[in-house]
Amino acid sequence: DSGVTQTPKHLITATGQRVTLRCSPRSGDLSVYWYQQSLDQGLQFLIQYYNGEERAKGNILERFSAQQFPDLHSELNLSSLELGDSALYFCASSPWGGNTEAFFGQGTRLTVV
Amino acid sequence: DQQVKQNSPSLSVQEGRISILNCDYTNSMFDYFLWYKKYPAEGPTFLISISSIKDKNEDGRFTVFLNKSAKHLSLHIVPSQPGDSAVYFCAASGGGSNYKLTFGKGTLLTVNP
Repeated sequence: DSGVTQTPKHLITATGQRVTLRCSPRSGDLSVYWYQQSLDQGLQFLIQYYNGEERAKGNILERFSAQQFPDLHSELNLSSLELGDSALYFCASSPWGGNTEAFFGQGTRLTVV
Repeated sequence: DQQVKQNSPSLSVQEGRISILNCDYTNSMFDYFLWYKKYPAEGPTFLISISSIKDKNEDGRFTVFLNKSAKHLSLHIVPSQPGDSAVYFCAASGGGSNYKLTFGKGTLLTVNP
């Protein structure tokens, strides 16, 4: 158990809909990362938050947004969903924003039908 | 533009022998490298890391070697065990204030009894 909790574990929704994925980082970790893993793809970095502020952005679509709340949990919002958004979405956390290992949650499997 | 490459999608070894997983990177700003292991339906689990000021780091059966001039790192597992069968991801970070992890696409290791 990495200490990172992601909910829900599975999500099935229709095209055009909006969903919210939730992540609770390890106790004391200030940094939260979101990654997307599509079929045959590695882990694609989406966005990082550090202590409530956006720190880095990857190839995150404009239809996607995220935030980190004062209690340090984070939410990833995906809107106007398309079939191609079906993927595993992982959240990871680390103690700070520097060079250190990140600990991953079990992921949310999103299926868009 | 794939900055971290794992050119072998899969590797099969016999139990008790050495497993060598390879990783190449192109971004010379990377200064911290990590290996993660991932079982199906689970999030990636941190294995071992190495800073660019070192060329070797050991942790039990796992050793990571870094060759900065060749922009190459490798993970050695000795002796390999059937429980090591998983997908192994190489990741890198660094460069200014950007500490996000950039992942390779992974290598599926199968250790045969």
